[in-house]
Amino acid sequence: GAVVSQHPSRVICKSGTSVKIECRSLDFQATTMFWYRQFPKKSLMLMATSNEGSKATYEQGVEKDKFLINHASLTLSTLTVTSAHPEDSSFYICSASLARTPYEQYFGPGTRLTVT
Amino acid sequence: GNSVTQMEGPVTLSEEAFLTINCTYTATGYPSLFWYVQYPGEGLQLLLKATKADDKGSNKGFEATYRKETTSFHLEKGSVQVSDSAVYFCALRGRTDKLIFGTGTRLQVFP
Repeated sequence: GAVVSQHPSRVICKSGTSVKIECRSLDFQATTMFWYRQFPKKSLMLMATSNEGSKATYEQGVEKDKFLINHASLTLSTLTVTSAHPEDSSFYICSASLARTPYEQYFGPGTRLTVT
Repeated sequence: GNSVTQMEGPVTLSEEAFLTINCTYTATGYPSLFWYVQYPGEGLQLLLKATKADDKGSNKGFEATYRKETTSFHLEKGSVQVSDSAVYFCALRGRTDKLIFGTGTRLQVFP
């Protein structure tokens, strides 16, 4: 149980275009979803926290207009990288938690974004 | 602020060797400490955790003890298997409930 999927697993896009990454909790309802970014040989950095039906809370230094997060249902959150640039190339990971175990996060397999 | 430092990899071992992956942390107060494992192509999975000083987390033969005096949470396993090959992340959760991760250590176990 507690499986989280991400789609796509890899995406290549051209500079200036937007790309959407989906995060789904497959067998549970996630009250909170988290989006992380991982640079090579660096730790996972929390970008934002989103609760279903409300606006995401972004970490300091993360541009909310560039990284649009929508948490429309208890099983789906999306991250849209708008007007992507090569420096946005990274590994994006989502996680989800349940209301009854808010401190336990279940992670997706990640999405590799390459902007050319 | 809170931070986690773990040894750089890769750590390369033969099957049945003893494993130690070092992890130290900096935090105010009394954080909870975690080890996550990421197998190839999969998401991070919680391996073990400890919520207070001197607690020992254990799972699948892995152990880590919360040492407040040395601010450490080293991961150990007495006899590794090829199937343990993965990336291991040390993490803490402090007062803000956010997870702070180390950079990850890749373990490669050869037969």
